Amino acid sequence: QVELEESGGGVVQPGRSLRLSCAASGFTFYLSGMHWVRQAPGKGLEWVTSIWNDGTNPHYADSVKDRFTISRDNSKNTLYLQLSSLRAEDTAVYYCARERDSCHWCFDLWGRGTLVTVSS
Amino acid sequence: DIQLTQSPSLLSASIGDRVTITCRASQGISIDLAWYQQQPGKAPTVLIYRASTLQSGVPSRFSGSGSGTEFTLTISSLQPDDFATYYCQQLHTYPRSFGQGTRVEI
Repeated sequence: QVELEESGGGVVQPGRSLRLSCAASGFTFYLSGMHWVRQAPGKGLEWVTSIWNDGTNPHYADSVKDRFTISRDNSKNTLYLQLSSLRAEDTAVYYCARERDSCHWCFDLWGRGTLVTVSS
Repeated sequence: DIQLTQSPSLLSASIGDRVTITCRASQGISIDLAWYQQQPGKAPTVLIYRASTLQSGVPSRFSGSGSGTEFTLTISSLQPDDFATYYCQQLHTYPRSFGQGTRVEI
């Protein structure tokens, strides 16, 4: 079964850190570029960050640059997102998504998301 | 950064209607655009990529067109499952920005 499953969300105080994970199964993870996308409550989709299949060339949205770090462990078929210096405006559902060359780099597979709530 | 502006933000329609959503890019992006549908409480799913190519398994009532800075998503005959929010996304450059979304409601 081809799927992505996020974990690690929860309630965290402003200024603290959290690490999200995204476990991939049913496909060749090490061949796929991966992304994180978030959605604040009642709001639209916001692209957050991406990483190439080999773990290089990360890109970040300006809103998270220098605070969030994307990484992956291809031996464990897992994508990570380290969130630091969290702010209230980081409260959102965080989705991981697979990028596919075959659909012109569209995001063809998404996880169900994990909710991060930043609150004191 | 490339900004995507969708119109309208809210669209009221009925079963069987033909509906069109527009996505305008702040600069040319060739055909590097995808459309997604998101049902409430669910993750998005891709409908269209490369501006006009239908993703496998997506009903043929969905179609996309455009290039450069102006794109459209058309649903030829609205069905009950189509009441959802639709997003365009540019895949031309980083950041991989999304439009603000168009909610299609009854």
